Amino acid sequence: GNSVTQMEGPVTLSEEAFLTINCTYTATGYPSLFWYVQYPGEGLQLLLKATKADDKGSNKGFEATYRKETTSFHLEKGSVQVSDSAVYFCALTAMNTGFQKLVFGTGTRLLVSP
Amino acid sequence: DTGVSQDPRHKITKRGQNVTFRCDPISEHNRLYWYRQTLGQGPEFLTYFQNEAQLEKSRLLSDRFSAERPKGSFSTLEIQRTEQGDSAMYLCASSTIGDSPLHFGNGTRLTVT
Repeated sequence: GNSVTQMEGPVTLSEEAFLTINCTYTATGYPSLFWYVQYPGEGLQLLLKATKADDKGSNKGFEATYRKETTSFHLEKGSVQVSDSAVYFCALTAMNTGFQKLVFGTGTRLLVSP
Repeated sequence: DTGVSQDPRHKITKRGQNVTFRCDPISEHNRLYWYRQTLGQGPEFLTYFQNEAQLEKSRLLSDRFSAERPKGSFSTLEIQRTEQGDSAMYLCASSTIGDSPLHFGNGTRLTVT
């Protein structure tokens, strides 16, 4: 079946540090890949997505590249801010289901200190 | 776009009681989803509606769970004879057709004592 594995958190960084959150997946076919973010007290929000191999999703300074050969979709940001503190979820969906049935990882909490 | 609204935000109930949650999706969204998130885990898919039709249900949705979307607008999720294992955050999301992104509500946190 489909599954997503994320690195465990929390990830603790100082402001302006480089961020990587690892995500690997197992899926049949060609899934679409997503990163969702959950800020404290808020609902999940789509951060970025990629729908085919070698696509790069980007938003708010975050990037992730769909790597089919390594089945990975690692999230990166060159310089984190305190406001990036949140829980980040990697997810996939197999569109051959006809709708977005998301499979999420367990989430990685990011804590950024000034 | 007022976002996806869920009510109540928190619900505390005693084991064995029935509870019902409501979700109001974004008005032009014809797809509606329910997910469940337990502590330390990612959300898990429960069920999906396109308009008023419930097109898929997860095996996680036992016979005690029922979801409806009677007019293709708001949806309700009812849990009968609640158990402590039902304690979780219940998330609703909506989207338009195709691969448009899901918009999530802030969730209803259920605590069964």
